[in-house]
Amino acid sequence: AQTVTQSQPEMSVQEAETVTLSCTYDTSESDYYLFWYKQPPSRQMILVIRQEAYKQQNATENRFSVNFQKAAKSFSLKISDSQLGDAAMYFCAYRSANSGNTPLVFGKGTRLSVIA
Amino acid sequence: KAGVTQTPRYLIKTRGQQVTLSCSPISGHRSVSWYQQTPGQGLQFLFEYFSETQRNKGNFPGRFSGRQFSNSRSEMNVSTLELGDSALYLCASSWTINTGELFFGEGSRLTVL
Repeated sequence: AQTVTQSQPEMSVQEAETVTLSCTYDTSESDYYLFWYKQPPSRQMILVIRQEAYKQQNATENRFSVNFQKAAKSFSLKISDSQLGDAAMYFCAYRSANSGNTPLVFGKGTRLSVIA
Repeated sequence: KAGVTQTPRYLIKTRGQQVTLSCSPISGHRSVSWYQQTPGQGLQFLFEYFSETQRNKGNFPGRFSGRQFSNSRSEMNVSTLELGDSALYLCASSWTINTGELFFGEGSRLTVL
C-alpha cells in the first residue's frame, strides 16, 4: 500500500521569508498524482498545488512551488514571501492514476506557524 | 457556486448510540469521499462513492457505513458509538473519481461521551 510521510510535525517561518515543507512517499507505481492541501484553523481543507508524476517540470502556483524528485520519491513544498494567512496544517497527498479506484492517501501533516 | 455542505457541524453522542452525518457535494460533482480526522491518526479514508455505488472502502469496522443518493448527496452512519469514534468527519466531492482534486466541507465534529 502507498504511504505518505511528512517528517516535520511543526514548522515556523518569519513573515516574508521562505519555508520548505518535506514529504516523501512510497509506491511501486509509475503513474500517479501528488498534492499539497492546506487546512487553516477554520478546518476547510483546500488544494494548494498538484503535480502529475509524468511531468518533469515542477508545478508552481503563485508563491507556492514544489520540488518533485521522482527517483527519490520526494515532493517538497516551498512557500515564498510567507504571509500570516499561510499559517495552517499542510497535508501532502498521493493518488494513483491507474484504474482500480484507489483513494487519496494523506500524510500526517505539518503545522506551519507564521511569525509577524 | 455553493461549496460542500456538511451537517450537522457539531454533535455530542454517548457510547452505544448511533449517528448519521450528511454531505451535499458541489453541484455537478458525482463523487463523494469521507475521511476521519483525529490528532493521532491524521486523515483516514472511510469511503468513496460515485453514481450511488461505493467504489472504495477504508479499513474501518462494519459499524461505519455510508450511501449515496441519486442527487449525489451522501450520508454516513456510525452505529454503536465508541469513545474512539470522536473525530472530525470530513466529506469531499469531485466531479469524478481518480482525480485526486477534492473539494472539502468544513466537517462534522463528533464527540462521544
